Amino acid sequence: NAGVMQNPRHLVRRRGQEARLRCSPMKGHSHVYWYRQLPEEGLKFMVYLQKENIIDESGMPKERFSAEFPKEGPSILRIQQVVRGDSAAYFCASLGGLNEKLFFGSGTQLSVL
Amino acid sequence: GQQLNQSPQSMFIQEGEDVSMNCTSSSIFNTWLWYKQEPGEGPVLLIALYKAGELTSNGRLTAQFGITRKDSFLNISASIPSDVGIYFCAGQLSEAAGNKLTFGGGTRVLVKP
Repeated sequence: NAGVMQNPRHLVRRRGQEARLRCSPMKGHSHVYWYRQLPEEGLKFMVYLQKENIIDESGMPKERFSAEFPKEGPSILRIQQVVRGDSAAYFCASLGGLNEKLFFGSGTQLSVL
Repeated sequence: GQQLNQSPQSMFIQEGEDVSMNCTSSSIFNTWLWYKQEPGEGPVLLIALYKAGELTSNGRLTAQFGITRKDSFLNISASIPSDVGIYFCAGQLSEAAGNKLTFGGGTRVLVKP
């Protein structure tokens, strides 16, 4: 049973480019969460999605960041016009239902040059 | 917003030693979780605590959920080299909050040179 799969593992972008991070939840899981981790810090909640719906985006910057979880395919975290401060590890987590535990992927390390 | 403070920020262990770390919050949480993160990987759940006062073990790990619901500690007994990593506490308000977790800043466990 494959775990939460994130790709790419590493992504390098120049300032002003777009970054697209993908997350395939565990099989059967319909809840996806995105977290950001800066160096030497804990994870910070960004957004919570269920299939085709954004449930809570209170942790996501209002500009340049967007997330989706379409009916078919992975969840996508999109960062437009990246800046150096966007450099971080972005983790996706999934669970099957609200009584279950959260499983994390291995993350995407975004580096903005 | 909620803040979780972990202490110590880092510690050195010698094989065979018992180590202890704790986590305090300015707010009440309904669930406390302890995760371990290794370099380049996502957090892995170690122990989940659901009731105030609950004491739970997982092998050499023991964690307790404080009576006030504002703190928790994690003990590792008879440490071994593979215990090295970053340990995070995380609090969850309620299922109604959608399993959104608030993470502490982490305790870095290193091996004594």
